[in-house]
Amino acid sequence: GQQLNQSPQSMFIQEGEDVSMNCTSSSIFNTWLWYKQEPGEGPVLLIALYKAGELTSNGRLTAQFGITRKDSFLNISASIPSDVGIYFCAGRPNYGGSQGNLIFGKGTKLSVKP
Amino acid sequence: DAGVIQSPRHEVTEMGQEVTLRCKPISGHNSLFWYRQTMMRGLELLIYFNNNVPIDDSGMPEDRFSAKMPNASFSTLKIQPSEPRDSAVYFCASSPRARLYEQYFGPGTRLTVT
Repeated sequence: GQQLNQSPQSMFIQEGEDVSMNCTSSSIFNTWLWYKQEPGEGPVLLIALYKAGELTSNGRLTAQFGITRKDSFLNISASIPSDVGIYFCAGRPNYGGSQGNLIFGKGTKLSVKP
Repeated sequence: DAGVIQSPRHEVTEMGQEVTLRCKPISGHNSLFWYRQTMMRGLELLIYFNNNVPIDDSGMPEDRFSAKMPNASFSTLKIQPSEPRDSAVYFCASSPRARLYEQYFGPGTRLTVT
């Protein structure tokens, strides 16, 4: 089935650093979303994107819907310790399928640099 | 505002037993989703309802799984009989009308089948 490739799989951050991660697909997506999940909790919606080229911010987080509609990017500026967690991209593919079906990436795990 | 409520938060049961997971969506949301999360397979959509009607159950693993939504404020996911490979975290999510893909997740139920 359709898969999203999310990278990097994991990364270490030092407070104050900017962080970038991305999500790619082999086919076109109509909607991209970014979620954050902390241990023992459900994913929390951070940003939703609906148009190719769209750039949306939520505080220190900025996400972009790629022009090709096959990718999306998430940037975190000036990271802080509470940014640690697993970040998931999710997308609504352009091909058939049911309306509500989102495809999720495997996640990027953000940890604090020791 | 109350988010999605799930119960129980943890369930440990023996193989062969019936398990029922419960979900109360966010008031006013008209779509409800059941997901399963494992390390190996990530987040997978099991079934989703729109206006209490099941729309897509293609993700339900097999006949042992069933889901109901008798009214707009309650849904259940039942596994009968349960098997060790059903061990996972099960999430319920809901989304508002006209923003189907902006799904808000509950805290999850961690199921362990021994």
